Amino acid sequence: EDQVTQSPEALRLQEGESSSLNCSYTVSGLRGLFWYRQDPGKGPEFLFTLYSAGEEKEKERLKATLTKKESFLHITAPKPEDSATYLCAVPGGGNTPLVFGKGTRLSVIA
Amino acid sequence: EPEVTQTPSHQVTQMGQEVILRCVPISNHLYFYWYRQILGQKVEFLVSFYNNEISEKSEIFDDQFSVERPDGSNFTLKIRSTKLEDSAMYFCASSYKGNEQFFGPGTRLTVL
Repeated sequence: EDQVTQSPEALRLQEGESSSLNCSYTVSGLRGLFWYRQDPGKGPEFLFTLYSAGEEKEKERLKATLTKKESFLHITAPKPEDSATYLCAVPGGGNTPLVFGKGTRLSVIA
Repeated sequence: EPEVTQTPSHQVTQMGQEVILRCVPISNHLYFYWYRQILGQKVEFLVSFYNNEISEKSEIFDDQFSVERPDGSNFTLKIRSTKLEDSAMYFCASSYKGNEQFFGPGTRLTVL
């Protein structure tokens, strides 16, 4: 059973068209939720960590929020350079420090 | 800004050969990790390393894999006898406290 589910799988936006990406998780006793950006052929780039429900973090056009069951990555007035795959990850149980979702592939069209 | 570096960026090898992937973590970090990503799939955890020993490993990390921190700066992943299914991007990551992990650019391993 997947511990991290991201939706949608792919999202195509016009430049300036704001939207949100979703990450739902099933781990209990959350010890942090992490957002990363991944460009094709590159390593994940750390964006945010959220630790408790109600917490919000912002960076340029991105804002991450957290509830008890899910996190949202809001993108305001996106630009073509925001095109990437956005990954969500949580510390897993047992032997998995980070469990990643499949990601949302975002394309922003000029 | 400090970053994790990895070499080589691309490694091509024949099935059955040994490969060593190298990483230089961020200098004051204490926790080190290897992950892999098969093309089109999720990033998967392989192994974590702390205080000069393996702290956790996944089912993927079998006897064909080993890790080493041979000196104060390098962290290596060795695959003893590569298989076709080992073809993937391999990412090294490091962390100061064991929470936020910072990833390197990856090594693309192609096994022929």
